[in-house]
Amino acid sequence: DIQMTQSPSSLSASVGDRVTITCQASQDISNFLNWYQQKPGKAPNLLIYDASNLETGVPSRFSGSGSGTDFTFTISSLQPEDIATYYCQQYDNLPALTFGGGTKVEIK
Amino acid sequence: QVQLQESGPGLVKPSETLSLTCTVSGYSISSGYSWGWIRQPPGKGLEWIGSVYHSASTYYNPSLKSRVTVSVDTSKNQFSLKLSSVTAADTAVYYCARDVAAAGTFDYWGQGTLVTVSS
Repeated sequence: DIQMTQSPSSLSASVGDRVTITCQASQDISNFLNWYQQKPGKAPNLLIYDASNLETGVPSRFSGSGSGTDFTFTISSLQPEDIATYYCQQYDNLPALTFGGGTKVEIK
Repeated sequence: QVQLQESGPGLVKPSETLSLTCTVSGYSISSGYSWGWIRQPPGKGLEWIGSVYHSASTYYNPSLKSRVTVSVDTSKNQFSLKLSSVTAADTAVYYCARDVAAAGTFDYWGQGTLVTVSS
């Protein structure tokens, strides 16, 4: 299986801050990477697909970049409604889809 | 608007089979895409279980493959999960979701249903 390592596991930032989360794959996955947001008690919500494409309706303050083994997810200006856990997920190695361990984002 | 809704028992005894159904509205399963199950143990991360194409072909997480069956009923616009020989480690919130690329990108999700394995 391809292992997805997310860091940090949690972070605390102020409203308006730039927030960056990284995801590292254990082998080359090209750009076959998605990012999801999960608010407490809710289902995950697709934000970014194919590493850098913004899902329809998702605010432009969210972005993704990277290819190969190293990926970055960025919130350009943290808002109170962005409090959630964020997961990366690879889909290069079907049928073994795997998620990262998650990054919990809190407001300082 | 595409909507998915999980249904099934919230409590399953150890060694028995967990059975869940996902009812899809706002989109006909027979039109395409694939349909998957993902679970999340309390306080933990996400684990993909398996998926079924609209054609009924399936693919499963290798770590669960021996215990999992995912099937589709296009006449009812539903797809289902069966997980056999459950243990307490299978206690989780189970989500159904649409895989828009039929290759691992889940764009619509159900609200999730908690299944507890306990005697």
